[in-house]
Amino acid sequence: GDSVTQMEGPVTLSEEAFLTINCTYTATGYPSLFWYVQYPGEGLQLLLKATKADDKGSNKGFEATYRKETTSFHLEKGSVQVSDSAVYFCALSYTGTASKLTFGTGTRLQVTL
Amino acid sequence: NAGVTQTPKFRVLKTGQSMTLLCAQDMNHEYMYWYRQDPGMGLRLIHYSVGEGTTAKGEVPDGYNVSRLKKQNFLLGLESAAPSQTSVYFCASSRPANTEAFFGQGTRLTVV
Repeated sequence: GDSVTQMEGPVTLSEEAFLTINCTYTATGYPSLFWYVQYPGEGLQLLLKATKADDKGSNKGFEATYRKETTSFHLEKGSVQVSDSAVYFCALSYTGTASKLTFGTGTRLQVTL
Repeated sequence: NAGVTQTPKFRVLKTGQSMTLLCAQDMNHEYMYWYRQDPGMGLRLIHYSVGEGTTAKGEVPDGYNVSRLKKQNFLLGLESAAPSQTSVYFCASSRPANTEAFFGQGTRLTVV
């Protein structure tokens, strides 16, 4: 079956540091890939997505590129802020299958001043 | 615009008690989902619905039942709660064609 593997956290960075959160996936078909973010006490919200190989999703300074050859969708940001502290989830789903999301375990990011 | 609203936000149950979690969305979405979130395990799909009157099992359906009598509502029931059902429950909704899923704020359930 399909699965998503994320780097374990927590990740602790100083403000303005470069962020990478690794995500790899195992899929039987050609899924769309997503990053969701969960701020403390809130539900998940979509951060960015990519629907096919070599697509780059971007939002709020975050980027991720759909790499089919390495089955990866790593999340990056050039300069993190304290307000980016949250839990980040990598996920996949397929068109035509009720958009059911398969999630990774989540990576907690803590940004300090 | 409320989006996805879950009721209640917190609940403590005794083993064997029953309860229903309510999810309501005001975006006219066809698809609705119930997930549970446990430490170190991400979110796992319990049940989902692709339209009014339809439901289907997800990855971890045992011990739960669902109903979608109205398009805007998706109910999750626990008939006889067990400590293993202690979790945070999230409802989500989306349009068809693999678009963004919108999540509620979650229900923290503790079974003692």
